[in-house]
Amino acid sequence: QKEVEQDPGPLSVPEGAIVSLNCTYSNSAFQYFMWYRQYSRKGPELLMYTYSSGNKEDGRFTAQVDKSSKYISLFIRDSQPSDSATYLCAMKTGGGNKLTFGTGTQLKVEL
Amino acid sequence: GAVVSQHPSRVICKSGTSVKIECRSLDFQATTMFWYRQFPKKSLMLMATSNEGSKATYEQGVEKDKFLINHASLTLSTLTVTSAHPEDSSFYICSARPSGNSQYEQYFGPGTRLTVT
Repeated sequence: QKEVEQDPGPLSVPEGAIVSLNCTYSNSAFQYFMWYRQYSRKGPELLMYTYSSGNKEDGRFTAQVDKSSKYISLFIRDSQPSDSATYLCAMKTGGGNKLTFGTGTQLKVEL
Repeated sequence: GAVVSQHPSRVICKSGTSVKIECRSLDFQATTMFWYRQFPKKSLMLMATSNEGSKATYEQGVEKDKFLINHASLTLSTLTVTSAHPEDSSFYICSARPSGNSQYEQYFGPGTRLTVT
């Protein structure tokens, strides 16, 4: 079993839709949860960061962490074509440097 | 701010040759830099953690003699793929963590596409 599972998609939605992206994980020691956006042939860009459980909102983006279910989500409201990218979840334990990534979900927002 | 560059952006080399990839933090100092490898439709795999002035820490299964890492300054880390083979073809991405910043914070470079023929 992979430490982090993420549906690779592709996920195609119309402009303006609410997008829900999810990851599940198996390592209960993960405490830091991040979402990155990666455009084609580019490096990942940090979108959201959450420590432990709870919600965090930043503009059109909301990150949720449910540690009891080992499940994290990223919601994108009023999706735009410019949101079309691959979204990677990443997690880290309290100690050490290593980020463990999901495979990424490819999102396409269509006009 | 927090820009990381990589050079070259893409490189094609012949089997058996060595290739050096540079990772630079342009507007901040980075005590720690990371090297990842990304296969198509696969997650980023951490290869090694590079600390300025000390030896890199390699992840299990990564050959340190094949992937040489040098972090000689607070703004530059290099990855040298020695005696490259076609199976080394991949997208290599570095990231850098600003010195003194939170553990979660890493800024990624744009990646280097290596093709070994």
